[in-house]
Amino acid sequence: GQSLEQPSEVTAVEGAIVQINCTYQTSGFYGLSWYQQHDGGAPTFLSYNGLDGLEETGRFSSFLSRSDSYGYLLLQELQMKDSASYFCALSRASGTYKYIFGTGTRLKVLA
Amino acid sequence: DADVTQTPRNRITKTGKRIMLECSQTKGHDRMYWYRQDPGLGLRLIYYSFDVKDINKGEISDGYSVSRQAQAKFSLSLESAIPNQTALYFCATSDVTSGNTDTQYFGPGTRLTVL
Repeated sequence: GQSLEQPSEVTAVEGAIVQINCTYQTSGFYGLSWYQQHDGGAPTFLSYNGLDGLEETGRFSSFLSRSDSYGYLLLQELQMKDSASYFCALSRASGTYKYIFGTGTRLKVLA
Repeated sequence: DADVTQTPRNRITKTGKRIMLECSQTKGHDRMYWYRQDPGLGLRLIYYSFDVKDINKGEISDGYSVSRQAQAKFSLSLESAIPNQTALYFCATSDVTSGNTDTQYFGPGTRLTVL
């Protein structure tokens, strides 16, 4: 089956850089997306990698390597408001449509 | 105004009751989805609809049904609620015309408790 694995929790201090990894076991997908979800809130879209390589959006960057079945979200200049859960997600490109979310990583930013 | 709205936001019901969760969107997107999220877990797809005449089962459709009343409205029903359907339910939309067709835009969620 398909699955996306993420570390369950990451802790970092304000101003630091943190990388959240996502490894997957599937093939034939369109691209890898990242979402942020604050406690009690809805997931919101952060970034998308349709091609291998790095995509940069302000303080957030995302990377995809299809050959390594791996991607990551990089958060720079961490702020307290970045404390949230982060999910990677992908959609299958063949067979029955599936939009699959990773297990989620809870990021705690410390002062 | 929010682009994707869900009603109710919170609901407590009893085992065996029929429950309907409603979702409306003003984004003009053709694709709509229903997900559930359990504590500490990611989101799992229940049903999806690529247009008004297209309804498909997702990963965990058993015990649920849906209705796409219009492009802007997609309802989720629990015909006979059971306690393990207690969860946070999200509606989402996506735009087939955009470069990234599957970017999901989520509603605020409905917290459902089945006693």
